Amino acid sequence: QKEVEQNSGPLSVPEGAIASLNCTYSDRGSQSFFWYRQYSGKSPELIMSIYSNGDKEDGRFTAQLNKASQYVSLLIRDSQPSDSATYLCAVSKGFKTIFGAGTRLFVKA
Amino acid sequence: DTGVSQNPRHKITKRGQNVTFRCDPISEHNRLYWYRQTLGQGPEFLTYFQNEAQLEKSRLLSDRFSAERPKGSFSTLEIQRTEQGDSAMYLCASSLSITDTQYFGPGTRLTVL
Repeated sequence: QKEVEQNSGPLSVPEGAIASLNCTYSDRGSQSFFWYRQYSGKSPELIMSIYSNGDKEDGRFTAQLNKASQYVSLLIRDSQPSDSATYLCAVSKGFKTIFGAGTRLFVKA
Repeated sequence: DTGVSQNPRHKITKRGQNVTFRCDPISEHNRLYWYRQTLGQGPEFLTYFQNEAQLEKSRLLSDRFSAERPKGSFSTLEIQRTEQGDSAMYLCASSLSITDTQYFGPGTRLTVL
């Protein structure tokens, strides 16, 4: 079992739709949870961080955390073609951060 | 530009040669991380510094890899006797001690021929 698992995709959604990205993790002691966006050939950039159960909203992005189910999700509302990228889920315990392999998202104009 | 910087951005080398990469973190960040990323995978943890102390090194790293962070500022990652399997993007990230949000540099793409 991988420590952080994501559906590799690709996930294809039409412009203006909601994109839903999911992630599960294996270490129940994990403390911090992150979503990064990575464009092809570029380095990851932080979109959202979440530390406690529930929802956290930032603009068009909403992160959801359920520690009991060991599940993290990212919703992107009103998806734009510029959102097309790979989305990486990252889980931290102390200084150690484990990344998932990422989900490729395509937003069709 | 006050972000994380890395040099060189690209490095092509022949198998068996040594290479060294540099990372300059965000100035007030005392935590520094090195990752390696191959195509289709997420970043893989290599090593971690808090100030000048190297506190963790991945068991996946062979003895050919070494990292330093003198005076707790910039860091270098050296790969000795490079192998074709070392070809990857090498990413550096930094964070503040009171938060573990990591900010990544642009990466160094290594190609070993």
